[in-house]
Amino acid sequence: RKEVEQDPGPFNVPEGATVAFNCTYSNSASQSFFWYRQDCRKEPKLLMSVYSSGNEDGRFTAQLNRASQYISLLIRDSKLSDSATYLCAVKRSFGNEKLTFGTGTRLTIIP
Amino acid sequence: DADVTQTPRNRITKTGKRIMLECSQTKGHDRMYWYRQDPGLGLRLIYYSFDVKDINKGEISDGYSVSRQAQAKFSLSLESAIPNQTALYFCATSDSGRDYGYTFGSGTRLTVV
Repeated sequence: RKEVEQDPGPFNVPEGATVAFNCTYSNSASQSFFWYRQDCRKEPKLLMSVYSSGNEDGRFTAQLNRASQYISLLIRDSKLSDSATYLCAVKRSFGNEKLTFGTGTRLTIIP
Repeated sequence: DADVTQTPRNRITKTGKRIMLECSQTKGHDRMYWYRQDPGLGLRLIYYSFDVKDINKGEISDGYSVSRQAQAKFSLSLESAIPNQTALYFCATSDSGRDYGYTFGSGTRLTVV
């Protein structure tokens, strides 16, 4: 089993809709979680960290479910500019381990 | 100027050639990483360095070597390039004192013919 798994998609979603992705991780000792956004042929950019209590940044909400070992990303009122690949990343302990990335979920917002 | 700069941006090289990809950063981060990205395989770690005197192999280090010349510089070498090393290569940095994830460079697209 891969350490971090994502549904590769593609997710084709109409503009204005709400879309959610999950990312599962296998190591229950994982401590830090992140969502990155990657545009085609560009570098990944940090979208948001995922905190135990969940966190929201505008239209984006990230949540952590430790019991089921997954993190989620919810995008509300999706915009054309949200079209990208979304990567999740997991770290085993605070500051002491490298990040392991999922292969990404591709999202296309349709006008 | 970018916080993490990779050079070159694009490179085409022939099989058997030795090439070097360079990465420099102005973020003051102590940790640096080299990843390659291939379609369907995601980001895979080649080497990482937690400080100037620390070099560690990642999951796919065969055929690669690195040098951490200074805290701000981390270069990746392909000793004898082969076609399956054709990929998008990313350098990344992080700060051991903060859990903010990584900052990536803009990538080097390498083609080995």
